[in-house]
This record gives sequence, C-alpha cells and structure tokens, in this order.
Amino acid sequence: AQSVTQLGSHVSVSEGALVLLRCNYSSSVPPYLFWYVQYPNQGLQLLLKYTTGATLVKGINGFEAEFKKSETSFHLTKPSAHMSDAAEYFCAVRRTGGGNKLTFGTGTQLKVEL
Amino acid sequence: GAVVSQHPSRVICKSGTSVKIECRSLDFQATTMFWYRQFPKQSLMLMATSNEGSKATYEQGVEKDKFLINHASLTLSTLTVTSAHPEDSSFYICSATDRSIYEQYFGPGTRLTVT
Repeated sequence: AQSVTQLGSHVSVSEGALVLLRCNYSSSVPPYLFWYVQYPNQGLQLLLKYTTGATLVKGINGFEAEFKKSETSFHLTKPSAHMSDAAEYFCAVRRTGGGNKLTFGTGTQLKVEL
Repeated sequence: GAVVSQHPSRVICKSGTSVKIECRSLDFQATTMFWYRQFPKQSLMLMATSNEGSKATYEQGVEKDKFLINHASLTLSTLTVTSAHPEDSSFYICSATDRSIYEQYFGPGTRLTVT
C-alpha cells in the first residue's frame, strides 16, 4: 500500500525566502506523485506532478519538486516566497490498482511573513 | 486544465433533513468521480468512488445508506447526505478523472452545516 508523510504541519518563511515543504512516500511500485495547494474554503489545485521521465518537475506559480527514488522523497520548493503562497499544501501518491485513487499526506500549512 | 464545479458552495440544513450536492465536470467526460470529506485543519478523507453507470464503491467505515452517491452521466455525480446530523457538518469535495489521464481535477468544495 502507498503512504505519504509530510514533515512539518506548519512552516513559516519570510517573504522572498526559500520555501521547502517535505514529502516522503512509501510505494511498492514506481510512484505517481502530486502536490496540490488549497486556499481557505476552496478545493485543491494541482501544482505539479511526477509520473515518469525527468525527476525535476516544474509546476505553476514558480514551484518545483524533485523525485528522489533513493530517498523516497518528493520535496516541494520555491526560490522566493510570496505572500500569495500562504495556503495549505498536500502531497499525494497515486494508489496502485488503477482508477487514479490518491492517498494524501496530512498537509502543511505555509505561512509567509513580511 | 479541466474544470469541475460543485453546487451548492455552502448549505445549511436542519437536523433530520437530507441535502444533495452536485459535482459536474464541465469540459471533459469523467468516467470516475471521487467524493472526499475534509474536517477543519485536516487532510482529505476519501469517502467513495463512483463510476458512471455503476454503483459507488465506499471506503471502509463510510455508511453507504447515509451518503448516497449517484453517477448517472459522464458529467454529473451527486452526493446525498440523508437524515443529516450536526456531526455530518463538514467540507465535502468532489474530484473527477478519466481513464486517459493520471490526475484528479477537484471541485471547489461544499460547506455543509447541519443545525
């Protein structure tokens, strides 16, 4: 079975600083990995995804993530935080067995301070 | 990207009544739709998976008689919370996908408050 661990339920950064949100996964098969962002009282928006191929994945809003098989990680980064990046971020792994079911991490609340 | 809508965005109902939430895929045909529940400050909990034209598959611990799911067409799935109680108050989110894609597209969510 697949699982996702997000280290740090809350992360606080200064505006302009590097954003690093951690995600580690467990999967018995090559994983499909996703990062979603959720703003208050809204649904989830896909930031980026890794399926196969290049391990450094670029997404929307300047975010990127690197799939590291040896570390079973898929950390999300952004070089310079903006106030509008404050939101909840979820890492997810596609479950095996087809059907595109996802297993979500517990989420990381990103706070951006002036 | 693909667009998924939900209606209503928020609903308040009295205890004991039923409420229906609609989930529509606006620009693609969704062979599969998912229904999630999200408690405050928590992650999404998958409630059920619905495939067009067949019965929904419920996750363990989810009462199928309480949360009725219908996926009558390739663009519409509905979740009906029957005999709602205050503990059913939550944020319900649907998502849609298709066999040819590897991701889910999420709706904006519905805030249900049962008084």
